[in-house]
Amino acid sequence: DGGITQSPKYLFRKEGQNVTLSCEQNLNHDAMYWYRQDPGQGLRLIYYSQIVNDFQKGDIAEGYSVSREKKESFPLTVTSAQKNPTAFYLCASRGTSGGYYNEQFFGPGTRLTVL
Amino acid sequence: DAKTTQPPSMDCAEGRAANLPCNHSTISGNEYVYWYRQIHSQGPQYIIHGLKNNETNEMASLIITEDRKSSTLILPHATLRDTAVYYCIVEIQGAQKLVFGQGTRLTINP
Repeated sequence: DGGITQSPKYLFRKEGQNVTLSCEQNLNHDAMYWYRQDPGQGLRLIYYSQIVNDFQKGDIAEGYSVSREKKESFPLTVTSAQKNPTAFYLCASRGTSGGYYNEQFFGPGTRLTVL
Repeated sequence: DAKTTQPPSMDCAEGRAANLPCNHSTISGNEYVYWYRQIHSQGPQYIIHGLKNNETNEMASLIITEDRKSSTLILPHATLRDTAVYYCIVEIQGAQKLVFGQGTRLTINP
């Protein structure tokens, strides 16, 4: 089945440690996104990538880093510089048709807790 | 900032139609109305989108007013599995990011 996978579902880290969240898609989508969601809030964009080896900052990129070495993969690293890293992290991707981007497909999310 | 206004919560009886309103009074001519929903602790799921005509798919119907300043998402026969937070989003087609507001928490009651 085609889709987006994120692993792990739950992640615990000590304060001051970097941690990398995985996101893989087999939908052949060019664009991929990382969002952060805090309790009771909507999603906020961290980083996005429209093509391999290229990515742009979203609204809250500080303290995060990404890479896009393969079309299928868009890992997110939460660095120790991120002041409030505990949150629900969502990865998404989207393809195109007729020259326009389609709707976004989301993964199941990773809930990160920093102790 | 989100360009839409939605009620924070709504209730609906199982088997009845759930009508979720959304105001987007500052919508531009090239902006679409998108609806997503998020079931607790899962990723959002795309439901439907439209520009100015009413749209229907297997999940829902989208009714957009003639002046395009508001719209209604209709779930024709709500089930308990439709309990979720529903987000109404206004963006040009293919925008780089979707701006999610706080949405409407819809509770379907047995």
